[in-house]
Amino acid sequence: AQSVSQHNHHVILSEAASLELGCNYSYGGTVNLFWYVQYPGQHLQLLLKYFSGDPLVKGIKGFEAEFIKSKFSFNLRKPSVQWSDTAEYFCAVKGTYKYIFGTGTRLKVLA
Amino acid sequence: EAQVTQNPRYLITVTGKKLTVTCSQNMNHEYMSWYRQDPGLGLRQIYYSMNVEVTDKGDVPEGYKVSRKEKRNFPLILESPSPNQTSLYFCASSLPGTGPYEQYFGPGTRLTVT
Repeated sequence: AQSVSQHNHHVILSEAASLELGCNYSYGGTVNLFWYVQYPGQHLQLLLKYFSGDPLVKGIKGFEAEFIKSKFSFNLRKPSVQWSDTAEYFCAVKGTYKYIFGTGTRLKVLA
Repeated sequence: EAQVTQNPRYLITVTGKKLTVTCSQNMNHEYMSWYRQDPGLGLRQIYYSMNVEVTDKGDVPEGYKVSRKEKRNFPLILESPSPNQTSLYFCASSLPGTGPYEQYFGPGTRLTVT
């Protein structure tokens, strides 16, 4: 069965700390991978996506993610977080037509 | 402005009273989808539509209906709402569903069924 696992449900960091959020997926075919962010009270917005090519993908606001096929992982990273990064982060995998989202990671950045 | 709109944004209703949540996009997207977001469960896909008159079930379709008579609109219908359908609902759209295209999400509809 297709699935996406996000291991960290809640993360609290101080400003300037480095961030890595884990995402593992289970899917048998060609996948497209996404990270979305949901700021408090807002709808989801795309941070970055991977579908082919360079496995290190750079997105908006200094975020990046690395696709490791052998580990079925697509972890999100940011070298130095800011208070404004406080949000919920969702990893998603897309097959032919269906999307599967992870359960989300709530990040709180302390000023 | 390119956007996905949903109405209403907030809705409180009673068990069994039919309701429709509308979704409209102005980006000429072929693919549209409905999700529900519940604490600890993330987003789960209810239904999706690849194009006009073409729809299919997502992971949690029970209790919901959809239709896609026009490209821009994709309403979500709850024929007989129940309290377990209390949730935050998002509509989304994207370019053709077979490609690596990101979805654009609406602002959400918070539904409470008492």
